[in-house]
Amino acid sequence: DAMVIQNPRYQVTQFGKPVTLSCSQTLNHNVMYWYQQKSSQAPKLLFHYYDKDFNNEADTPDNFQSRRPNTSFCFLDIRSPGLGDAAMYLCATSRDFNEQFFGPGTRLTVL
Amino acid sequence: ELKVEQNPLFLSMQEGKNYTIYCNYSTTSDRLYWYRQDPGKSLESLFVLLSNGAVKQEGRLMASLDTKARLSTLHITAAVHDLSATYFCAVGTGTYKYIFGTGTRLKVLA
Repeated sequence: DAMVIQNPRYQVTQFGKPVTLSCSQTLNHNVMYWYQQKSSQAPKLLFHYYDKDFNNEADTPDNFQSRRPNTSFCFLDIRSPGLGDAAMYLCATSRDFNEQFFGPGTRLTVL
Repeated sequence: ELKVEQNPLFLSMQEGKNYTIYCNYSTTSDRLYWYRQDPGKSLESLFVLLSNGAVKQEGRLMASLDTKARLSTLHITAAVHDLSATYFCAVGTGTYKYIFGTGTRLKVLA
């Protein structure tokens, strides 16, 4: 089945220790998104790639970076995680401006 | 800046009752999406509404879109416990972005 896969599902890191979250998709969608969702809040868009074009949200901290080496994969790098970065990170894909499909998410804990 | 508001934020209802969740947005858009999220899980797509007057139904849920009023509704008919979840609407902007509403946490009581 075509899908969006995120690894790991759970990630524990220490304060200030870099971490990378992974997203892959078999849908061949050209747009990939990263969202941050904190408890009892709506998902907040961090950035998205339209093909190879990177689009950063104005309020996304510089601590968050992303890479998309090919159509299928996208990574979220958190360079120096703080306690406030503990959240669920959701990857989503879409074909142009159509319906988004979400991965299962990675829950990040910062100690 | 596009703003998306949902109400109510919390909804506790008895099984068998009907209720409607409202999603208002502040600027023109003809793309409206409804998602369901169970605790600790990701988002599951429920409905895609792409034109004024669009109506979609799946089981006990029905969604509609009025682009002139900038309003979408999610109607629940004869609620059952399995519908307990958080429901989000999301509005498409013109730049491949989706702005999510605040979410409605629904609890259906037996």
